[in-house]
Amino acid sequence: AQSVTQLDSQVPVFEEAPVELRCNYSSSVSVYLFWYVQYPNQGLQLLLKYLSGSTLVESINGFEAEFNKSQTSFHLRKPSVHISDTAEYFCAVILSGTYKYIFGTGTRLKVLA
Amino acid sequence: EPEVTQTPSHQVTQMGQEVILRCVPISNHLYFYWYRQILGQKVEFLVSFYNNEISEKSEIFDDQFSVERPDGSNFTLKIRSTKLEDSAMYFCASSYRVSGELFFGEGSRLTVL
Repeated sequence: AQSVTQLDSQVPVFEEAPVELRCNYSSSVSVYLFWYVQYPNQGLQLLLKYLSGSTLVESINGFEAEFNKSQTSFHLRKPSVHISDTAEYFCAVILSGTYKYIFGTGTRLKVLA
Repeated sequence: EPEVTQTPSHQVTQMGQEVILRCVPISNHLYFYWYRQILGQKVEFLVSFYNNEISEKSEIFDDQFSVERPDGSNFTLKIRSTKLEDSAMYFCASSYRVSGELFFGEGSRLTVL
């Protein structure tokens, strides 16, 4: 069965510092991977996704994630965070051709001034 | 930009009452979903819906839950007899293709007293 693990429930980081939010998944078959962001009192918004092709994917606001099949990871990184990046970040996985997305427990990123 | 809309944004109900949460997915999307998020916890899959029938459901989605697409635009989640533990934020989502990007609504907060 698929599962997603986000080991860090909270990550405090100072503004302009780099950050990495970890995501590991377990699946014996090919999967699609996503990162969603949830700002306070809002729904989830797609940040970036890996479907196929290049293992490094980027978002428009400076985040990137790298799909590592051997380590079954899809960690999210940003070289320099802003106060506005404060939010909850969810990693999600789905088996190709299926309907059930599995979400991780989320990582609360708090950017400090 | 097209978006998923949900109503009501917040509903308070007494235990044992029926509740209907409404969603208008993005118009050209074909796959519809309900997720829920109990306060401070992970985003949990409830059900997926395609071609006017349930394609997959979780163990949470028991006989008290039902979904319907009564017309070409609305997608509803009904809870027949609410329990205290049904208190959560309920998110509707839609996608254009199976295993594609999910577009989420802003959620309906259900409080069961």
